[in-house]
Amino acid sequence: NAGVTQTPKFRVLKTGQSMTLLCAQDMNHEYMYWYRQDPGMGLRLIHYSVGEGTTAKGEVPDGYNVSRLKKQNFLLGLESAAPSQTSVYFCASSYPLRVSYNEQFFGPGTRLTVL
Amino acid sequence: RKEVEQDPGPFNVPEGATVAFNCTYSNSASQSFFWYRQDCRKEPKLLMSVYSSGNEDGRFTAQLNRASQYISLLIRDSKLSDSATYLCVVPGGNNRLAFGKGNQVVVIP
Repeated sequence: NAGVTQTPKFRVLKTGQSMTLLCAQDMNHEYMYWYRQDPGMGLRLIHYSVGEGTTAKGEVPDGYNVSRLKKQNFLLGLESAAPSQTSVYFCASSYPLRVSYNEQFFGPGTRLTVL
Repeated sequence: RKEVEQDPGPFNVPEGATVAFNCTYSNSASQSFFWYRQDCRKEPKLLMSVYSSGNEDGRFTAQLNRASQYISLLIRDSKLSDSATYLCVVPGGNNRLAFGKGNQVVVIP
C-alpha cells in the first residue's frame, strides 16, 4: 500500500516549457486535490476532483490544467511555465468530505523551479 | 476575515515546557476542525481531529471555542521531535478544506 505517490520529485524548467505532474493513489479515494505551497502563503488549492472524469477549479487555477481519466490518477499540467510557478506541489486524496471524517492523505511533493 | 488565520511564529519552546497556540476561523457553521503536522520539507499529515469541545491524544490537547471561533492546540512536555509546523484546517465548502499558514514550533534543547 503505497498511499499517494507523486512523479517527479524534483524538476527544473525553463520559462515557456511544459510539463505534467502525475499523482497516483491506491486507497480507492474519490476525491483528489492539487495544492501549491509557497513560503509565507500556506497551502493553496489549485484544482480538485470529486470523481473520475470530473475536475473543478480551486483558488489559484490560472496557468494550470488537470485531468482525472482514471480514479487512481490525477494529472496537473503546466502548458507554459512561468517563474511565478516555482513552488512545491502537493497532491492529496480523500474519501468524500463529510462532517465526521475529512482526512486528506498527501503525497511527498514535487519541487519545481522555473528559470 | 480569512477562512483560517494563524500566527506563524516561530514559537520557541524549551524542551519539556508547554506551548499553546490558537487558530481563528470565519465560518461559524463549521462542524469539524483539524490539526495537521508538517515537518520541514515533508508533506502534511493529520495530527488530530476536533468535532466537539475538544480532543486529547497523549501530550497533545486541542480545544474548540465556538463562541469566539477559535481552536487551540496545546503541547505538554515538549520533545525535540515536536519541532514542526502545525496547520489548522477547517472545511471550506465546495468539497475542500481550508488550510491555515501554520504555527512553526521550534523545541530548544
